[in-house]
Amino acid sequence: SQELEQSPQSLIVQEGKNLTINCTSSKTLYGLYWYKQKYGEGLIFLMMLQKGGEEKSHEKITAKLDEKKQQSSLHITASQPSHAGIYLCGADRSSNTGKLIFGQGTTLQVKP
Amino acid sequence: EPEVTQTPSHQVTQMGQEVILRCVPISNHLYFYWYRQILGQKVEFLVSFYNNEISEKSEIFDDQFSVERPDGSNFTLKIRSTKLEDSAMYFCASSGDRRSQPQHFGDGTRLSIL
Repeated sequence: SQELEQSPQSLIVQEGKNLTINCTSSKTLYGLYWYKQKYGEGLIFLMMLQKGGEEKSHEKITAKLDEKKQQSSLHITASQPSHAGIYLCGADRSSNTGKLIFGQGTTLQVKP
Repeated sequence: EPEVTQTPSHQVTQMGQEVILRCVPISNHLYFYWYRQILGQKVEFLVSFYNNEISEKSEIFDDQFSVERPDGSNFTLKIRSTKLEDSAMYFCASSGDRRSQPQHFGDGTRLSIL
């Protein structure tokens, strides 16, 4: 079974539309990280959430971690072509070594 | 903005050969990591390294793999005798703290084993 499940697997939206990507864990998370990856390239850090109920925003991207710390959502407002890419959630499961496990990724296409 | 740099960007090697992937972490970071991503699959943890020791390693990180911080700036991943299934993108990451600060990733080295 998947340790971190992302949904949807892929998403195509019209430019200007809002969208949400979800990341669900079967276990409590000690830290949840959102990264963006362009195909064949490195991971770009977006946001880190550690406290239940925490919400962070940067430009048009907002991420939340639910109270139970088992689900996170990434919301993009008024999407632009520059938002296109693969969004990955990564989780710290309290190994005390910083080990992250990752979801399978959500591929976002934004049509102009 | 400081960044993690990895070299080479692409490495092609014959099966059975040794390969060394190099990384320069962000200068004031203390925690170092290697991950890999086989084409079309998830990013997988390989190893974490702190204070010149391996903190944790995954099942993938068997005796064929080793890591080293030979000087104050480089962090290397060595695969002693490469196999076809080692073909993947290898990412180096570093962080200033394992909990309160995020890991920053390099652009990766694409390793192709022939």
